[in-house]
Amino acid sequence: ETGVTQSPTHLIKTRGQQVTLRCSSQSGHNTVSWYQQALGQGPQFIFQYYREEENGRGNFPPRFSGLQFPNYSSELNVNALELDDSALYLCASSVPGREWTDTQYFGPGTRLTVL
Amino acid sequence: DQQVKQNSPSLSVQEGRISILNCDYTNSMFDYFLWYKKYPAEGPTFLISISSIKDKNEDGRFTVFLNKSAKHLSLHIVPSQPGDSAVYFCAAMRAAGNKLTFGGGTRVLVKP
Repeated sequence: ETGVTQSPTHLIKTRGQQVTLRCSSQSGHNTVSWYQQALGQGPQFIFQYYREEENGRGNFPPRFSGLQFPNYSSELNVNALELDDSALYLCASSVPGREWTDTQYFGPGTRLTVL
Repeated sequence: DQQVKQNSPSLSVQEGRISILNCDYTNSMFDYFLWYKKYPAEGPTFLISISSIKDKNEDGRFTVFLNKSAKHLSLHIVPSQPGDSAVYFCAAMRAAGNKLTFGGGTRVLVKP
């Protein structure tokens, strides 16, 4: 069984640029969630995609957007990058409805540095 | 407003002894609680979970206790091993919810 994979591993951008991060969900998982983890903090929920539709969003501005594809892989796009966007971006996949609720399994993350 | 808090940023324990990690939450709507372990340069790894209808869940060396009235949960690791040295995150979710709310993490160091 293949786990959650993310690309790229590291990325350096400058302020104002745009970035796309990619995630492949674990085999059989149809739900993908994205989190931002700033240094020294716990991950914060950005949004979730279920069957190609956004299924909930955290307290992030509209310049954070996403997509989910028919094979359940996903992209996170961030426009007009700001210095505070420097963080580890984590993708997690899950299968809603299994047992009482779903457990989310995380990928290794993409480290984004904005200069 | 931090709904999930881990008040101890770090913990040091001797190999073979018990590690106890604590987590407090404020949102009474949370129904499902999870612990994740994170090594540097890796994503969080799921360890153990508990639903609000239980007060204890055990999996090998890991046991999670939930005290709903106190809005408190704890993770016990017995015996602690050097490979357990990592950052541990407590997370909470509402039933049929879509997002995990994480605490700030506790860094555990297990000394040989």
